[in-house]
Amino acid sequence: NAGVTQTPKFRILKIGQSMTLQCTQDMNHNYMYWYRQDPGMGLKLIYYSVGAGITDKGEVPNGYNVSRSTTEDFPLRLELAAPSQTSVYFCASSYSKGGAGDYNSPLHFGNGTRLTVT
Amino acid sequence: AQKVTQAQTEISVVEKEDVTLDCVYETRDTTYYLFWYKQPPSGELVFLIRRNSFDEQNEISGRYSWNFQKSTSSFNFTITASQVVDSAVYFCALSAERNQGGKLIFGQGTELSVKP
Repeated sequence: NAGVTQTPKFRILKIGQSMTLQCTQDMNHNYMYWYRQDPGMGLKLIYYSVGAGITDKGEVPNGYNVSRSTTEDFPLRLELAAPSQTSVYFCASSYSKGGAGDYNSPLHFGNGTRLTVT
Repeated sequence: AQKVTQAQTEISVVEKEDVTLDCVYETRDTTYYLFWYKQPPSGELVFLIRRNSFDEQNEISGRYSWNFQKSTSSFNFTITASQVVDSAVYFCALSAERNQGGKLIFGQGTELSVKP
């Protein structure tokens, strides 16, 4: 069981370049998330999705885009990379029954993508 | 507003010492969940525990224990007889009823260094 898989593990971008961080999960989780972690800081939510075709902004969405065409995949797109986007990016997923169900199950995290923009 | 504060940025102890990591949270919701995650030097995030707001029983798992007190909005984490392998950054996190989608709000993290 692979869990949450992120690619690539490392990437260096030049200012203005674009790239897509890939995230896939094989646990049939309906909820998926993208967080960024800056040095010495906690994780901040960029975008999240409660199911295929549904996405919503988190705390720090500017400069990013997401899509959720399937349950398994939740790619994160950086269109015009800026030095402020240098960070470690974590994808996560969780299961929710929805409604009054157990909507706060623990998040399963990928191993992260370390991105440097110079 | 919802917020998690981990006031201790770094803690350094010697092996076998007990250490407590503090976590204070803010939320207006009556139903919420609290979490602790461990991030070892390798970088991955490891889930340790989840508590819901209706269960204030303390929990013990081996050398780990958690003290949840609603009266002080705290969810502290104690490691007994610390070991070098406990060296990591530990994050406390909150997920609340209004926080649709199961999103976690993280504290800044506490970096624990256990020296031999």
